[in-house]
Amino acid sequence: DGGITQSPKYLFRKEGQNVTLSCEQNLNHDAMYWYRQDPGQGLRLIYYSQIVNDFQKGDIAEGYSVSREKKESFPLTVTSAQKNPTAFYLCASSRGTANTEAFFGQGTRLTVV
Amino acid sequence: AQSVTQPDIHITVSEGASLELRCNYSYGATPYLFWYVQSPGQGLQLLLKYFSGDTLVQGIKGFEAEFKRSQSSFNLRKPSVHWSDAAEYFCAVGARSSASKIIFGSGTRLSIRP
Repeated sequence: DGGITQSPKYLFRKEGQNVTLSCEQNLNHDAMYWYRQDPGQGLRLIYYSQIVNDFQKGDIAEGYSVSREKKESFPLTVTSAQKNPTAFYLCASSRGTANTEAFFGQGTRLTVV
Repeated sequence: AQSVTQPDIHITVSEGASLELRCNYSYGATPYLFWYVQSPGQGLQLLLKYFSGDTLVQGIKGFEAEFKRSQSSFNLRKPSVHWSDAAEYFCAVGARSSASKIIFGSGTRLSIRP
């Protein structure tokens, strides 16, 4: 089945540690995105990538980093510089043209203690 | 830059009643518009989308939305809600000048009264 796989579903980390969230898609989509979701704030764009080896900052990129070495994969690293990392993280992909919708993974809930 | 506003944080309707969720957008040209639904702890599922043409768009699960350029709105409607419609609903806007940036509203949580 084609889709987007995020892993793990739940992740716990100690404060000060970097953590990497996985996102893989087999939809042959060019564009991939990372969103952060907090209660009452909707989805905020962290980073997005339109093609391999290229990515752009979204609205809340500080404290996060990404890579896009393969078309299928767009991992997100939450660094120790991110002051409030506990959140629900959603990965999405699209064909990358303006008139296409985004398809979402099931999300990763990160809790930093 | 585009933006989208969902003025209602939480709405409760009775099962079988009609539903309208509001969405207003800001963009200098005709945008691409979407409605997504999210169940607790899950990802988002596309309900419907508007790109061009007929301003009344039909989606899955019996939902529809109407694009009104004069009001910069894209409200979501359903004639009769079911208990399974309880979820969070997000309106989103994409800019024709940007291939990849989709901006989401803050969401409306829908509760269904038995």
